[in-house]
Amino acid sequence: DAGITQSPRHKVTETGTPVTLRCHQTENHRYMYWYRQDPGHGLRLIHYSYGVKDTDKGEVSDGYSVSRSKTEDFLLTLESATSSQTSVYFCAISVLAGGEEQYFGPGTRLTVT
Amino acid sequence: LAKTTQPISMDSYEGQEVNITCSHNNIATNDYITWYQQFPSQGPRFIIQGYKTKVTNEVASLFIPADRKSSTLSLPRVSLSDTAVYYCLVGDQGGKLIFGQGTELSVKP
Repeated sequence: DAGITQSPRHKVTETGTPVTLRCHQTENHRYMYWYRQDPGHGLRLIHYSYGVKDTDKGEVSDGYSVSRSKTEDFLLTLESATSSQTSVYFCAISVLAGGEEQYFGPGTRLTVT
Repeated sequence: LAKTTQPISMDSYEGQEVNITCSHNNIATNDYITWYQQFPSQGPRFIIQGYKTKVTNEVASLFIPADRKSSTLSLPRVSLSDTAVYYCLVGDQGGKLIFGQGTELSVKP
């Protein structure tokens, strides 16, 4: 399995609080992605990164920000969590962009009460 | 970005061949077709990828007709452990893959 870890694996937080999820890779892959998965929606891309300090929005980026200061770390921040952001969040990495194979992390289950 | 359509669910029995077809009418010239498998409480796992004609690996085969507006994932002789959700994706080099709702495959003894 690709060396991808996510932390925390589970988190419960209150509405209005900031939350940061971390994705860490040991593969030195250039591309990193954040997805959320909700029942009936499959996985939806939030943000992705194509290099250190280079990021772009996905289809559901509102309410989320990301940062990538090092190749191995990609952070997802919810500035002020809302109940609609309760979801399972997956990080993924790939060697090349887009259609190439992506390797997924184990996921973070976030509950916003 | 091309959207995909696939059956929501399928049932099969152990030992049968399973074919899951995905429709992607708006596929672009540079788009690849990729299939992922996801088990409960796990991230998706890459199965196979193709651009045209037929691709085969140790797990599955992928059939793509000449017009590339659809593709079929073929799983030979499924077992109970193949019970999972299967996603068809179409993406270009821009990094913005779109996952649909997937096909929930249930394999019965």
